[in-house]
Amino acid sequence: QKEVEQNSGPLSVPEGAIASLNCTYSDRGSQSFFWYRQYSGKSPELIMFIYSNGDKEDGRFTAQLNKASQYVSLLIRDSQPSDSATYLCAVNGMDSSYKLIFGSGTRLLVRP
Amino acid sequence: GAGVSQSPSNKVTEKGKDVELRCDPISGHTALYWYRQSLGQGLEFLIYFQGNSAPDKSGLPSDRFSAERTGGSVSTLTIQRTQQEDSAVYLCASSLEAEFEQYFGPGTRLTVT
Repeated sequence: QKEVEQNSGPLSVPEGAIASLNCTYSDRGSQSFFWYRQYSGKSPELIMFIYSNGDKEDGRFTAQLNKASQYVSLLIRDSQPSDSATYLCAVNGMDSSYKLIFGSGTRLLVRP
Repeated sequence: GAGVSQSPSNKVTEKGKDVELRCDPISGHTALYWYRQSLGQGLEFLIYFQGNSAPDKSGLPSDRFSAERTGGSVSTLTIQRTQQEDSAVYLCASSLEAEFEQYFGPGTRLTVT
């Protein structure tokens, strides 16, 4: 079992819809959870981080964390074509709090 | 403010040559990380520096890889006797302190021919 799992996609949604991206992780000791957006040929860009169970909202983005289920998700409201990118979920590892373990990413396509 | 910077942006080298990749972290960030991203392998941790503490080198794939950080700021990743499997994008990140959010630089795309 991979430490951080994401559906590779592509996840295709129409413009204006809500895009829901999911991530599961295997280490119950993980405390920090991050979502990065990566456009093709570019480096990852941090868009959300969450440390506590529940929801965290920032603009059109909402991160949701459920530590009991070892599940973290990212919702993008009012999706725009410019949101089309690969979204990487990252979780800190059990053996070191600073070492991020990345999922393989979910490719999101927002259709105009 | 200025983000993480890396140089060169692209590097093509012949198999067996040594290469040096440079990273300049965000000013004031004490923690610095190197990652590698290659097709089919995702993003993998290489090495971590925090202040004057000994670096965590647990992610370095072989002893051909080394890194240093001078003066708590700029870092250099060196790959000796490059191999084709070293071809990847090498990403540097920094954070205010360990465990804080990590911000990535633009990366160096290394191609070994």
